[in-house]
Formats: sequence, C-alpha cells, structure tokens
Amino acid sequence: DIQMTQSPSTLSASVGDRVTITCRASQTISSWLAWYQQKPGRAPKLLIYQASTLESGVPSRFSGSGSGTEFTLTISSLQPDDSATYYCQQYIRYSYSFGQGTKLEIK
Amino acid sequence: QVQLVQSGAEVKKPGASVRVSCTASGDTFTAYYIHWVRQAPGQGLEWMGWIYPNSGGTNYAQKFQGRVTMTRDTSISIAFMELSRLRSDDTAVYYCATDRHMWQLRGYFASWGQGTLVTVSS
Repeated sequence: DIQMTQSPSTLSASVGDRVTITCRASQTISSWLAWYQQKPGRAPKLLIYQASTLESGVPSRFSGSGSGTEFTLTISSLQPDDSATYYCQQYIRYSYSFGQGTKLEIK
Repeated sequence: QVQLVQSGAEVKKPGASVRVSCTASGDTFTAYYIHWVRQAPGQGLEWMGWIYPNSGGTNYAQKFQGRVTMTRDTSISIAFMELSRLRSDDTAVYYCATDRHMWQLRGYFASWGQGTLVTVSS
C-alpha cells in the first residue's frame, strides 16, 4: 500500500499569511493527487485534483503543486474561513489512501 | 453533479451487520462511480471501496474484503454499503461520495453525502 504523510500535523497562522502544507508519498504517484478541506462535523470538500487543478468554485488563493512523491498545498493569503483540516489523497492505484491530515488554525 | 443523502445513525452490537444507504439526485445515477469512505472519531479518512451503478461492478479495499458488500438499486437511485462482523473499531462516520467525472473512474471525490454515524457497542 502507498502511505501518505503530511506535515505539519497542526499549523497556526494569521489572516493574510501564506501557508504551505506538504504531502509525501511512499512511492511515486506521478500527479495522481487530490487535496480536500474538512470542517468539523462536515464532509470533506474537494479543492484540487491532478496535483494542481483547482476544482470549480474553489477560491484562487488555493493552489497545488508537485509530482512524483512530494506535493504542496498553498494558501496564498489566509482567510478566517480557511480554518479546517486538510487531507491529501493518492489515486494512482485502485487502493486509494489519504494522509493523516493537517489541522490549520487561525491565530 | 449529484447530490447525496445518507440514512440515519445506527447503533449495533459487536458481530452484527449494518447497512447504510446513499440516495442520489440531480444527475444520472448510473454515470458516477460511488465510493465509500469512513472516518473514526477524531481520526483521518479511510477509503473502503467503490461501486459502479451502471454495471454493478465493485472494488473493495483489501482491508475490508470479505466483510463489505456494496450494492445499488438503479430504479430508485440508491447505493448501499453493508459491513458485517462489526467490531468496536468500526465505530465511525461512513460517507458515500461520487467520483468527479461522469462515466470515468478517476479516484477523487467531488460530491459527498452528509455522513452516517455507526456506533458499535455492547
């Protein structure tokens, strides 16, 4: 199985900050990576797929990059509504797997 | 895209089975692969498998092979996930979610149900 590791596990930042979350795969997954945002008590929301394609309706301050085994999710200017847990997910094989999550808090 | 509504919370005893339903509306039910993902309390997300309503074909995560069954009823646009031989560590919120694109298995999930809490306790 492919293991996905995110860092950091928790992150605290201020409104307007640039924030980066990293996701590493245990083996190469090309660009078969998605990012989700989840708020407490809610279902996850798709933000990015194919490592860098922004899902329709997602604010442009979110961006994704990377390929192979290392990926990043960047929020260019943090907003209060961005407080959430973020997950990466690989989908190169039929057995999909998620990172453990990064909890983002607003100072 | 599809809107998904799931059945209500369940409480089950160890060893029992649970069946969760996922009702689709708004788009062609048979066009989207439906995945099941679960989340234990305070934990991350775990993919369980998919069903393709168009054919009834399924693919299950190895961890759940032999315990999970995914079915669908296309006449009423409902997908089901049944998990048997429940254990306490199966306590989780279970989500159904559709694949992003019609008629394709891509493996990322665009529309989600609201989640169904399944509690396994003696």
